Amino acid sequence: AQSVTQLGSHVSVSEGALVLLRCNYSSSVPPYLFWYVQYPNQGLQLLLKYTTGATLVKGINGFEAEFKKSETSFHLTKPSAHMSDAAEYFCAVSDRHGNNRLAFGKGNQVVVIP
Amino acid sequence: ETGVTQTPRHLVMGMTNKKSLKCEQHLGHNAMYWYKQSAKKPLELMFVYSLEERVENNSVPSRFSPECPNSSHLFLHLHTLQPEDSALYLCASSQDPRENTGELFFGEGSRLTVL
Repeated sequence: AQSVTQLGSHVSVSEGALVLLRCNYSSSVPPYLFWYVQYPNQGLQLLLKYTTGATLVKGINGFEAEFKKSETSFHLTKPSAHMSDAAEYFCAVSDRHGNNRLAFGKGNQVVVIP
Repeated sequence: ETGVTQTPRHLVMGMTNKKSLKCEQHLGHNAMYWYKQSAKKPLELMFVYSLEERVENNSVPSRFSPECPNSSHLFLHLHTLQPEDSALYLCASSQDPRENTGELFFGEGSRLTVL
């Protein structure tokens, strides 16, 4: 079964600084990988996803993530944090066997400090 | 119309009450999901419906009863809940899971408090 690990439930970053959220996955087959964002009092929204092809994936709001098979990682980055980036971020993995069963991490609550 | 709409947004109920959560999707999808989101825990997949047929039930207690009358509507009927059932319940939809894009479209959730 697939799983993801996100360390550190709360992440504080200064406005304008690099945002780095780590995600490591476990999967017995080549995975599909996702980052979702949840703003306060809202549902989850897809930020970006990796399925096949280029390992550096660009998403909305200036975020990007790189799939590194050798490290079983899919870390999320943004060069310069904005106040509007304050939200909870979830990494998720699914297999390629014809289903949409996503396994989610526990999430990272990002706080942006002015 | 937003993509996935959930009602009510907030619900407070006693342990002996019967209530229902409703989800409606306007995206033309044919798979719908219920997730439970509790603090400091990963999202828990509860039920999956594909083409109105329940295809997954992750050992959810029988006090939660899903219903999918058509591909656009999903309900979660609640009966004799426990305080530990208090959580945010998220509905999601997707295209045919067999296509496995893996992308889910979520509603804003129903915040349930059981007293």
